[in-house]
Amino acid sequence: SQKIEQNSEALNIQEGKTATLTCNYTNYSPAYLQWYRQDPGRGPVFLLLIRENEKEKRKERLKVTFDTTLKQSLFHITASQPADSATYLCALDGDNYGQNFVFGPGTRLSVLP
Amino acid sequence: ETGVTQSPTHLIKTRGQQVTLRCSSQSGHNTVSWYQQALGQGPQFIFQYYREEENGRGNFPPRFSGLQFPNYSSELNVNALELDDSALYLCASSSGGERGHTDTQYFGPGTRLTVL
Repeated sequence: SQKIEQNSEALNIQEGKTATLTCNYTNYSPAYLQWYRQDPGRGPVFLLLIRENEKEKRKERLKVTFDTTLKQSLFHITASQPADSATYLCALDGDNYGQNFVFGPGTRLSVLP
Repeated sequence: ETGVTQSPTHLIKTRGQQVTLRCSSQSGHNTVSWYQQALGQGPQFIFQYYREEENGRGNFPPRFSGLQFPNYSSELNVNALELDDSALYLCASSSGGERGHTDTQYFGPGTRLTVL
């Protein structure tokens, strides 16, 4: 079955630096991969989607890369701010015609002032 | 805000009881998916409803069941509650295309269920 790993449970960085989060997957070739942000006690909020034929996608201070050979996605937040502190989840489309999503365990990012 | 609402926000039940959780999808969306999220973990897919029919199911026992109504709102029912059912239950709505295929889901705030 599909397995998703995210680089670490928690990541602390200084304000203004670039945060880089990693998502690795095995036993699957997703058509696309998504990143979500989740604040404590809230539902995930969609951030970016990148398809298998795309190498990179950007949105404001966010950048996502997708390497289907390495089976890895990198999620970057540039010029990080304390307000970026949250848990970030990667998700890939499941093996049932996209009728479900398989989520990673998440990385809890703390941006220190 | 996504426009997806869930009720109740919190719920406490005891083992063996039954619970019904409700979700109103975002306007214009015909697909609702339900997820269970245990503390410190990512959401796990329970099932999806597309145009009032179950359209995919994760690895959850039959005591987890659901419904979707003509207005595309949805219910999640859990019978014979167990301690391990304590979690945040999330619903997500989307516009399903062919066979309910979706690419972006919009999540509600969740219902926190505690089973004692």
